[in-house]
Amino acid sequence: DGGITQSPKYLFRKEGQNVTLSCEQNLNHDAMYWYRQDPGQGLRLIYYSQIVNDFQKGDIAEGYSVSREKKESFPLTVTSAQKNPTAFYLCASSLTSGAYNEQFFGPGTRLTVL
Amino acid sequence: KNQVEQSPQSLIILEGKNCTLQCNYTVSPFSNLRWYKQDTGRGPVSLTIMTFSENTKSNGRYTATLDADTKQSSLHITASQLSDSASYICVVSAGREYGNKLVFGAGTILRVKS
Repeated sequence: DGGITQSPKYLFRKEGQNVTLSCEQNLNHDAMYWYRQDPGQGLRLIYYSQIVNDFQKGDIAEGYSVSREKKESFPLTVTSAQKNPTAFYLCASSLTSGAYNEQFFGPGTRLTVL
Repeated sequence: KNQVEQSPQSLIILEGKNCTLQCNYTVSPFSNLRWYKQDTGRGPVSLTIMTFSENTKSNGRYTATLDADTKQSSLHITASQLSDSASYICVVSAGREYGNKLVFGAGTILRVKS
């Protein structure tokens, strides 16, 4: 059963805490992405990785960190430096980062700061 | 500034009726344009992808059109079903010079009622 999975589905965080969102894919894709979705706005790119052990900042990387130690995994850490972390987080992957490669999205993680 | 604007913001139609969603973009250079369907609380799923040389593409009851000269696209849904209730997102891919970056619209929320 191929696909991209995210966990947990819902996550609650107290102010000042770091939390890590999981993203795993078994599609053998090289490229992986993290997006943030807020009501009434388009998805915004946080970080992306074109290949293992390499990643680049997207448009809104401040307060976030990632790692890409394995091809299948691209976890996102939301740090206490992120001032407004409550949002719906989407992970995606594509065969490569080429222009015509379709991005497949995971089911998302909804993060709420208490 | 690269932008994607969608209209209307939301739409309610009766089951069995047709509808058309609009997308205007200012992304330049332009590589391709995609339409995604996103069910509430889920990740987006690709419906169509069109290059600048294509002016129409169908996927079942969904038909997308593209006018690269006027930078406009539309998504036409025929004989709507209750399961079509979702957010429809227009996404434009910038050229390789911009790292094939995807620019997302805010989406049109469609509700189909019986």
